[in-house]
Amino acid sequence: DVKVTQSSRYLVKRTGEKVFLECVQDMDHENMFWYRQDPGLGLRLIYFSYDVKMKEKGDIPEGYSVSREKKERFSLILESASTNQTSMYLCASSFPGEGNQPQHFGDGTRLSIL
Amino acid sequence: SQKIEQNSEALNIQEGKTATLTCNYTNYSPAYLQWYRQDPGRGPVFLLLIRENEKEKRKERLKVTFDTTLKQSLFHITASQPADSATYLCALGTYKYIFGTGTRLKVLA
Repeated sequence: DVKVTQSSRYLVKRTGEKVFLECVQDMDHENMFWYRQDPGLGLRLIYFSYDVKMKEKGDIPEGYSVSREKKERFSLILESASTNQTSMYLCASSFPGEGNQPQHFGDGTRLSIL
Repeated sequence: SQKIEQNSEALNIQEGKTATLTCNYTNYSPAYLQWYRQDPGRGPVFLLLIRENEKEKRKERLKVTFDTTLKQSLFHITASQPADSATYLCALGTYKYIFGTGTRLKVLA
């Protein structure tokens, strides 16, 4: 079975801190994604990566950056955390395709910014 | 802009009945549509994918239809069970995906 592991289930940080969220997948997937999920807004794509060192902005990239130095690992960085970044963050991976590949999700990191 | 709509109100049905969930989309012509299940505190889990040239797809008690003229997909769970209670998300996309907000289903024993 595909396993997507997010480093923390719960995280509490302070405003202005630099925050790192880590995601590792074990299925040799080329594509990796970071979403945030908020009540009433659903899953929104922050960034995705289709290869090592390659990245593309999603719908809400402001205030975030990403890093993909190895194929299995995709990191989301909050450069200077703000309270409006309190959310559930979900990482996913998939094989490349034109929407015909299922995404495999981790169980999320619930991040609170105080 | 591209938009996906799922009924935001929770759907409560009696055990044994068929649950039907709706996904409508606008300003988009996807080649594929996917359905996911999400349990509280967990990430979504892939259930089914249907292609634009397929009218219907089945997997055990699940059935998905895809009407590109109406721009709508229906997701059916037959002989529903309390264990089917979850939030169900539809997703459209090419190399990236757009998700609906999901519909919460509760199956009453």
